[in-house]
Amino acid sequence: GNSVTQMEGPVTLSEEAFLTINCTYTATGYPSLFWYVQYPGEGLQLLLKATKADDKGSNKGFEATYRKETTSFHLEKGSVQVSDSAVYFCALMGWSSASKIIFGSGTRLSIRP
Amino acid sequence: EAQVTQNPRYLITVTGKKLTVTCSQNMNHEYMSWYRQDPGLGLRQIYYSMNVEVTDKGDVPEGYKVSRKEKRNFPLILESPSPNQTSLYFCASSQTSGRNDEQFFGPGTRLTVL
Repeated sequence: GNSVTQMEGPVTLSEEAFLTINCTYTATGYPSLFWYVQYPGEGLQLLLKATKADDKGSNKGFEATYRKETTSFHLEKGSVQVSDSAVYFCALMGWSSASKIIFGSGTRLSIRP
Repeated sequence: EAQVTQNPRYLITVTGKKLTVTCSQNMNHEYMSWYRQDPGLGLRQIYYSMNVEVTDKGDVPEGYKVSRKEKRNFPLILESPSPNQTSLYFCASSQTSGRNDEQFFGPGTRLTVL
């Protein structure tokens, strides 16, 4: 079945550092891929998405490219801020089972001033 | 303001005492679902609903019930809660079940079953 694997946290970086959070997936067909962010005490919010191979999703300085050849959707940001501290979830929605979104286990990111 | 609301936000209860967590959305969304979030496991889907009176099991439905009598509401019912249902619960909704539709999440309900 479909699955998502993302790097374990926690990840701690200094402000203005470069961020990469790895995400790989297993799925048949052509899933849609998402990154959601959960700030402390809140629900998840969609950060960005990509719906087909080679698409790049971007928002708030974050980017992720849908790489079908490596089945990956790594999240990147060139210069992180303290306000980026949160838990990040990679997720996919399958081609043939559109009613179910599958989440990775989440990566906690902490940014030091 | 477009939003998904859940009540209560925090609940401590005892084993076997029936409880209901309410979920309501004001965006006229067709699709609603419930998830539980546990450390190291991410979010797992409990139940979902494609529309009024249409519900189906997710990945971890045991011990839970849902109903969808109105489009805006999707309550989660625990008939006889047990300690392994201690978790953080999220309700979510989207316009449809389409693969490109963004899901909007409620703020979460932290449940402790003693």
